[in-house]
Amino acid sequence: DAKTTQPPSMDCAEGRAANLPCNHSTISGNEYVYWYRQIHSQGPQYIIHGLKNNETNEMASLIITEDRKSSTLILPHATLRDTAVYYCIVTGNQFYFGTGTSLTVIP
Amino acid sequence: NAGVTQTPKFQVLKTGQSMTLQCAQDMNHNSMYWYRQDPGMGLRLIYYSASEGTTDKGEVPNGYNVSRLNKREFSLRLESAAPSQTSVYFCASSEGRRQPQHFGDGTRLSIL
Repeated sequence: DAKTTQPPSMDCAEGRAANLPCNHSTISGNEYVYWYRQIHSQGPQYIIHGLKNNETNEMASLIITEDRKSSTLILPHATLRDTAVYYCIVTGNQFYFGTGTSLTVIP
Repeated sequence: NAGVTQTPKFQVLKTGQSMTLQCAQDMNHNSMYWYRQDPGMGLRLIYYSASEGTTDKGEVPNGYNVSRLNKREFSLRLESAAPSQTSVYFCASSEGRRQPQHFGDGTRLSIL
């Protein structure tokens, strides 16, 4: 399974879009990109996933580059409740959670 | 709809004691997982079960055993607890191996 690289931390102003990048240069053709977040010490929460095409749901948008070597999770209007650790995972059959990006939304 | 339920939420053990962490899901999912999370680290897979009656090792299986009792329940057993097993343990379930996983709220385990 491919591994991912994420910045350790990011800040975002409340109400602005939060753009969280993820590099996965060794991704293979059948591996999906998943995003989860973990608020405080709660269990991780599924956000969105995709294979090739961009995806959008009620929580976020996922933009995957054409070569699939990187992706960006977009939270369109960040709120204080979006402060969390965000994990980008590339998976065939196993989910490898790295250390993620700690996003702090600032009032 | 409870989703994934873990019991207990907190536990303190002495070195050498044994205990079983319980996990149950009510979503009729086929796959279930046990992870551990240490301070400042991501989750690491201990064991998983792709379907009732099957279990497989993950990244860090040593010191643990699992039982997939039925489709709903997946338990994790520490036979002889060690301080290195102090961690937060999360159970998860999914429809299939590549489907989104739904997590419980965790069991916080301290071993003295």
